[in-house]
Amino acid sequence: GDSVTQMEGPVTLSEEAFLTINCTYTATGYPSLFWYVQYPGEGLQLLLKATKADDKGSNKGFEATYRKETTSFHLEKGSVQVSDSAVYFCALFSGNTPLVFGKGTRLSVIA
Amino acid sequence: ETGVTQTPRHLVMGMTNKKSLKCEQHLGHNAMYWYKQSAKKPLELMFVYNFKEQTENNSVPSRFSPECPNSSHLFLHLHTLQPEDSALYLCASSQVGNSGANVLTFGAGSRLTVL
Repeated sequence: GDSVTQMEGPVTLSEEAFLTINCTYTATGYPSLFWYVQYPGEGLQLLLKATKADDKGSNKGFEATYRKETTSFHLEKGSVQVSDSAVYFCALFSGNTPLVFGKGTRLSVIA
Repeated sequence: ETGVTQTPRHLVMGMTNKKSLKCEQHLGHNAMYWYKQSAKKPLELMFVYNFKEQTENNSVPSRFSPECPNSSHLFLHLHTLQPEDSALYLCASSQVGNSGANVLTFGAGSRLTVL
């Protein structure tokens, strides 16, 4: 079945550091890929998405590129801020079942 | 009100109590979902309703009983819960059937503590 694997956390970075959170997937066909973010005390919010190979999703300085050849959708940000501290979830939708989520990666950014 | 609203935000109950969680979406979506989020565990899909019909029930114990009276409202009725049911319960909605991706909009969650 469809699945998403993302790097184990927690990830701790200093402010202005470069962020990468790895995400790989297994799916039949051509899924859509997402990153959701959960800030403390809140529900999940859509951060960005890509619906086909080579698409790049971007939002709030975050980017992720849909790489079909490596079945990956890694999240990157060039310079993180304390306000980016949250849990990040990679997810996929292949059309047959509801959204499949990864386990989440907790990011802590320290000043 | 916009988006997905969940009430109550916090709930403490004993194992013999009966309580309900409520979710309301103001987005005109046709599908609604309950997820359970426990510490150190992946997000667990519990129930899915498409057009008010339950289409998925992922082996959830019968002490959790969903109700979807219309496409805007979703309830989770709780009865005789166990301490391990303590978690954040997240409601979400989406528009199913578009050619595009199934984007979920989540509520802020109801934090449940079972004593």
